[in-house]
Formats: sequence, structure tokens, C-alpha cells
Amino acid sequence: QSVLTQPPSVSAAPGQKVTISCSGSSSNIGNNYVSWYQQLPGTAPKLLIYDNNKRPSGIPDRFSGSKSGTSATLGITGLQTGDEADYYCGTWDSSLSVYWVFGGGTKLTVL
Amino acid sequence: QLQLQESGPGLVKPSETLSLTCTVSGGSISSNNYYWGWIRQPPGKGLEWIGSIYYSGSAYYNPSLKSRVTMSVDTSKNQFSLRLSSVTAADTALYYCARHVHQLAQPDLWGRGTLVTVSS
Repeated sequence: QSVLTQPPSVSAAPGQKVTISCSGSSSNIGNNYVSWYQQLPGTAPKLLIYDNNKRPSGIPDRFSGSKSGTSATLGITGLQTGDEADYYCGTWDSSLSVYWVFGGGTKLTVL
Repeated sequence: QLQLQESGPGLVKPSETLSLTCTVSGGSISSNNYYWGWIRQPPGKGLEWIGSIYYSGSAYYNPSLKSRVTMSVDTSKNQFSLRLSSVTAADTALYYCARHVHQLAQPDLWGRGTLVTVSS
């Protein structure tokens, strides 16, 4: 069981918008920045969003992040078939000690 | 630009110790405030953070693995390492090394990963 909860899968048609949720608690999301990662099949995860809503250089503005309380959301607009991947949220947790935690991952299918 | 490359045995026997090394190229392992981490992913499953270490030796560990994990840094070789003791089949995974740009930052740069299988 992951500390952060994500839906196992989401789907949408090309050109549409999709959101992926990440739910945590006060020991993690509630008091820390959230990051999001994209993992294309057979590749290492790539940082998409950091500090809740910032995009690293080279990440298109179709990807956005937000946080409210103990939940965070990744949004993707103008869906493309190349966006089909696994998406993970992550943040620091301080419940036992200070350590990084990931969500269980969400498989995005672009129909 | 900075790159990370994992290396180590692809097969480890149960109860033995898994040892991996990550070589940092394109920059110094002791520069800036970087922390260096390990993350693993069992086949078909999600990501699990193992721990991160500063070049001075200060480290953070996943509480669920802490008793079996040792991390170290060799600044002369620009490498950092992971040792995971008493492995079982549950430790079979793709192991990634990664960079954290500072102490409590996210892992932002990843290696390609190396598959380690625990089997007799």
C-alpha cells in the first residue's frame, strides 16, 4: 500500500483534458511540495512538475499541477497519444522519519 | 550535462547482499548541495524510494528498508553506492539512481536503471 493514493487508471480521447489525483495526509502532502513524474513504457521516470506547480525546462505547458490541503492534482490538456504513460506523484513524508514517498501510479490511456 | 549510470550484478542469490554503484559524469558528485539517491521498481509495479546521501555521508533512508540498507559516496571516483543485505525475491526490481538538487528536494535526474533479480 502506497502512502499516497492515486487512481489506478484514467483515460480520455486525444485533444481532451484529463486530471490525475494524489491524496495524502498532513505528514506528507499537507506540509510539503508535490512533484509529478511521467514514465513512458520501458524508460526511466521523468520529472514533469515540482514544487506543486512548476515545470522544468522543456516540459510543455499542457502539463500543470496544483495542490489543496492534503491532495494534489496533475492536469494534462490537449492529450496526445504520446502522453500514454504511467504517472506518479511524490513528496516528502515525516510520519516515521523524513523520507520520500511515491503514489502507486496512474496508467493514462489515450483512447 | 550531468548523467547517471547504474552498474552491478544482475543476479543475486537469496540471503546475500545486493551491491550497486552509480557513476556520475558531467559534474562533481560533491558540488552544490546535491543529494544522491536510489529508487527501485519491481517488475510491473510502482516506484519505491530507498534513500539518499550527501557526499559527506549525511543520509535519509526509507524506514521500511533502513535496517538492510547502506549507502556510501566515493568522491575520488565520482560514484555513490547502495548495499542491500539479506535479499529475497521481493527485492527483485529495476534499480535507479537519481539526483536530488538539495536536501529535501525531489529526485529530478534519473539514471536509466539496472535490473537486479534475486534468485538461486
